[in-house]
Amino acid sequence: NAGVTQTPKFQVLKTGQSMTLQCAQDMNHNSMYWYRQDPGMGLRLIYYSASEGTTDKGEVPNGYNVSRLNKREFSLRLESAAPSQTSVYFCASTGVGETQYFGPGTRLLVL
Amino acid sequence: GDSVTQMEGPVTLSEEAFLTINCTYTATGYPSLFWYVQYPGEGLQLLLKATKADDKGSNKGFEATYRKETTSFHLEKGSVQVSDSAVYFCACGTSYGKLTFGQGTILTVHP
Repeated sequence: NAGVTQTPKFQVLKTGQSMTLQCAQDMNHNSMYWYRQDPGMGLRLIYYSASEGTTDKGEVPNGYNVSRLNKREFSLRLESAAPSQTSVYFCASTGVGETQYFGPGTRLLVL
Repeated sequence: GDSVTQMEGPVTLSEEAFLTINCTYTATGYPSLFWYVQYPGEGLQLLLKATKADDKGSNKGFEATYRKETTSFHLEKGSVQVSDSAVYFCACGTSYGKLTFGQGTILTVHP
């Protein structure tokens, strides 16, 4: 039981490049989330998926897209990376009871 | 929208000192309240939670009481250890399991 896994752990991009952050959970959770963490800002919700087949915008969705591929996987795509997207990205999932379980994070640097 | 405010940090304490990290929230309805902890280089882990007014969450010597009259959920520990050094996040649970996080408080405990 690995919980929530994220790949890659670290990535460096040039401005304008694209990439997809992968997230998977093996807890049979319905809801999944993508956050970004910036110094002094806490975690801010980018997108979430309340169930397989649905996605909704969070607080800071601009510049991102998501895909809920199946119940296990929820990916985050940056189509044209910008330096303002330099951050640490966390995926999380929730089953019954509201507790969110977090992955280890992806550190992204956009030059 | 919902918001969470944590006391500004960082907080530096000596081992065995008493810890308080203040947290207040603004939310509609009756949210659940959470404290998460983040150790260096890792994702967030649930520390404790409370789901209704006057509930007390506790774990690993940490406690917090859901105070609806003051919209607060302050984190306390009677005697901190070096191993408690981490970043602590207060969060408020909203619809579809979404969480609104405070900005985080860095705790450093010296021997």
